Amino acid sequence: KQEVTQIPAALSVPEGENLVLNCSFTDSAIYNLQWFRQDPGKGLTSLLLIQSSQREQTSGRLNASLDKSSGRSTLYIAASQPGDSATYLCAVWNYGQNFVFGPGTRLSVLP
Amino acid sequence: DAGVIQSPRHEVTEMGQEVTLRCKPISGHDYLFWYRQTMMRGLELLIYFNNNVPIDDSGMPEDRFSAKMPNASFSTLKIQPSEPRDSAVYFCASSFAYRVSGANVLTFGAGSRLTVL
Repeated sequence: KQEVTQIPAALSVPEGENLVLNCSFTDSAIYNLQWFRQDPGKGLTSLLLIQSSQREQTSGRLNASLDKSSGRSTLYIAASQPGDSATYLCAVWNYGQNFVFGPGTRLSVLP
Repeated sequence: DAGVIQSPRHEVTEMGQEVTLRCKPISGHDYLFWYRQTMMRGLELLIYFNNNVPIDDSGMPEDRFSAKMPNASFSTLKIQPSEPRDSAVYFCASSFAYRVSGANVLTFGAGSRLTVL
């Protein structure tokens, strides 16, 4: 059974810092991995999707990488801003299963 | 497309009452998922459908919960009778099944916040 973990559980950084969020999964037989953002009291918004054949995806200040063999993904946020404050979740889509979510990393970017 | 549409956005009810949550997936998506989110347990998959057929309902907590998808554009999640421990945010999400390419983005609705008194 696929298990997804995220480290750290919470992170607080000053504005302008570059930061890395980590996601680990136990079963490498995945179709893809997605990173989501969730603002308090809101739904989840998809940020980036990395297909199993890809190694990274970029969108603006966000860059996500995928290393299937080691069961790891990282989300890199450049020049963080207070508006980036949210909970970030990763999810993997498994063969024969469905999307499995990690517990999330709660990010606070201080002005 | 207006995205995944859920209703009601907020529901407050008393213990023992029936609750029905509704979801309209994105047109053309053939996968539909129901999730529940609480502070204690995070995001939990309850059930998912493929082409309107329930595929995995192992996450449904007990017989008080039931879900249906009578057609490609509508799904319901019903709780009867409701209990205080059912209080949570319930999310519906939908996706294409681009299994070969893996390009199936999961799109969430805004959620239905349920409070059972």
